[in-house]
Amino acid sequence: GQSLEQPSEVTAVEGAIVQINCTYQTSGFYGLSWYQQHDGGAPTFLSYNALDGLEETGRFSSFLSRSDSYGYLLLQELQMKDSASYFCAVTSGNTPLVFGKGTRLSVIA
Amino acid sequence: EAQVTQNPRYLITVTGKKLTVTCSQNMNHEYMSWYRQDPGLGLRQIYYSMNVEVTDKGDVPEGYKVSRKEKRNFPLILESPSPNQTSLYFCASSFFGTANTGELFFGEGSRLTVL
Repeated sequence: GQSLEQPSEVTAVEGAIVQINCTYQTSGFYGLSWYQQHDGGAPTFLSYNALDGLEETGRFSSFLSRSDSYGYLLLQELQMKDSASYFCAVTSGNTPLVFGKGTRLSVIA
Repeated sequence: EAQVTQNPRYLITVTGKKLTVTCSQNMNHEYMSWYRQDPGLGLRQIYYSMNVEVTDKGDVPEGYKVSRKEKRNFPLILESPSPNQTSLYFCASSFFGTANTGELFFGEGSRLTVL
């Protein structure tokens, strides 16, 4: 089967940098995705890594190490509006996306 | 506007009263899926469909039915709802079953309460 592990909660200060880690176990791995979800809202896609390395999109970056079955989401210059839940998700073969249980990020002043 | 539309957004019903949550997408996506979200449990997949007339069970299919008669629609049916099906439900869609892009487009969610 497939499983993902990510911290349940993270707190960080406005303007700082925070890293949310995700480790996974799966067979036939294709890629790792990240989603953001604000309270009461739907998940929205942030990034997808199929190859090792860092992908940068504005203040957000995502990293993947296939050999370590590990990835992370890096959020820079944190803003209050970044307070949300962040989910990693694994794509494997032709099976649908499997989501982690999510990390709740609280940004404090 | 490209979107996934779910209805109803909110529903309170009673045990045993059949209900259907509709989902429609206008992006010509082959892949559609239903998730339920409960506190501390993340997003759990109920059913998914890789294309018209093709559906498969996800992780938590018990108590649910789906159909995929048209590409754009993927309704979720609760034949005899029970209180443990009280949850927030999301429909999602994408091209090619996310194998290449990892991106799902989500509807706004349907909050269901079963009394």
